Amino acid sequence: QLQLQESGPGLVKPSETLSLTCTVSGGSISSSSYYWGWIRQPPGKGLEWIGNIYYSGSTYDNPSLKSRVTISVDTSKNQFSLKLSSVTAADTAVYYCARHPCSGGSCHRNWFDPWGQGTLVTVSS
Amino acid sequence: QSVLTQPPSVSGAPGQRVTISCTGTSSNIGAGYDVHWYQQLPGTAPKLLIYDNINRPSGVPGRFSGSRSATSASLAISGLQAEDEADYYCQSYDSSLSGSVFGGGTKVTVL
Repeated sequence: QLQLQESGPGLVKPSETLSLTCTVSGGSISSSSYYWGWIRQPPGKGLEWIGNIYYSGSTYDNPSLKSRVTISVDTSKNQFSLKLSSVTAADTAVYYCARHPCSGGSCHRNWFDPWGQGTLVTVSS
Repeated sequence: QSVLTQPPSVSGAPGQRVTISCTGTSSNIGAGYDVHWYQQLPGTAPKLLIYDNINRPSGVPGRFSGSRSATSASLAISGLQAEDEADYYCQSYDSSLSGSVFGGGTKVTVL
């Protein structure tokens, strides 16, 4: 059974860079059938898509985050990572990683399943 | 403000049927992109409930069903149970954003 687990610091100072890693177990991140994504949820609020990455390193991310996002993949470790630069209090959220399947020739229009348990990152001095 | 619009809350008595709407625009649902639904129980990660408008993953009870029309989609819960009390989110693809968009979420309360 595929599982995803987020890890990284729970507290980041304003203006610094948030760094998180998602470790995939029970399956290979190098499958041609999936992208891998990051989604966040501010406390008490809704979900916001951050971006996705393919095992080849191809990425696409949410333009509303104004190029602060870097997503990378390490196939040797079965991990993918998120970096979000110049953080502010508005970036405080639970960050989730999830699998994003390709089907019918499309890799960008589909659902997220399964999800990691999420990790809370607080931006504060 | 979310790209997809959902009612903040719906409620119903045990055994009743409730529906949650998800309204989009011409760049997402109205453009023909599929809608997916998630259930988020308190303190847990979202769980896929419906994919591609109407399909239930293995293990999801049959009382959950989805539908889609021109610019909107709906999730119906029949035979409402106490364990269905949760937040529900819709998701689709938006061609203007070139990525995924979510609704603001709907809290279902079982009276």
